[in-house]
Amino acid sequence: TQLLEQSPQFLSIQEGENLTVYCNSSSVFSSLQWYRQEPGEGPVLLVTVVTGGEVKKLKRLTFQFGDARKDSSLHITAAQPGDTGLYLCAGASDKLIFGTGTRLQVFP
Amino acid sequence: EAQVTQNPRYLITVTGKKLTVTCSQNMNHEYMSWYRQDPGLGLRQIYYSMNVEVTDKGDVPEGYKVSRKEKRNFPLILESPSPNQTSLYFCASRTAGGVYGYTFGSGTRLTVV
Repeated sequence: TQLLEQSPQFLSIQEGENLTVYCNSSSVFSSLQWYRQEPGEGPVLLVTVVTGGEVKKLKRLTFQFGDARKDSSLHITAAQPGDTGLYLCAGASDKLIFGTGTRLQVFP
Repeated sequence: EAQVTQNPRYLITVTGKKLTVTCSQNMNHEYMSWYRQDPGLGLRQIYYSMNVEVTDKGDVPEGYKVSRKEKRNFPLILESPSPNQTSLYFCASRTAGGVYGYTFGSGTRLTVV
């Protein structure tokens, strides 16, 4: 069974702090996606990374795919209250496997 | 606006009363899927469809049915709902090819009493 474990599960920080969320697996994925989900809504795709070692930036968010395509990280610089939400990674092989999620709360 | 539309958003029903949750997408996506989201268990795939008239089981298909008669619609049917099907349900669609991300609907919160 393929598993994607995210850490930390919960993160509560002050506005302006930096943070990193990790997504780890023992399986190799052809691509990895990151989503953000706000309360009462469906997940929204943030980025897809495809190549091992790939780094993508989306404003203050930096996504990295591990060299072996088994893990990924999401780094947020100078977090803002609008970043609050549930962050989900999802690995694609023969199907899409969702991670366990990281719930982030950013206080003003 | 490109979107996946689910209805209803909220539903409370009684055990055994058949119900259908509708899902429609306007992006001409080939691939559609249903997920349920439960605390501590994350998103689990119920059924998926790779194109019209092609459906297959996901990880938790028991107690559910689907159909794909048209490309845009992918309804989820609970023939005889039970309390363990109380959950938050999401429909999602994407274009063919594994690297493309999903567009999700806003969700249907189902309570079976």
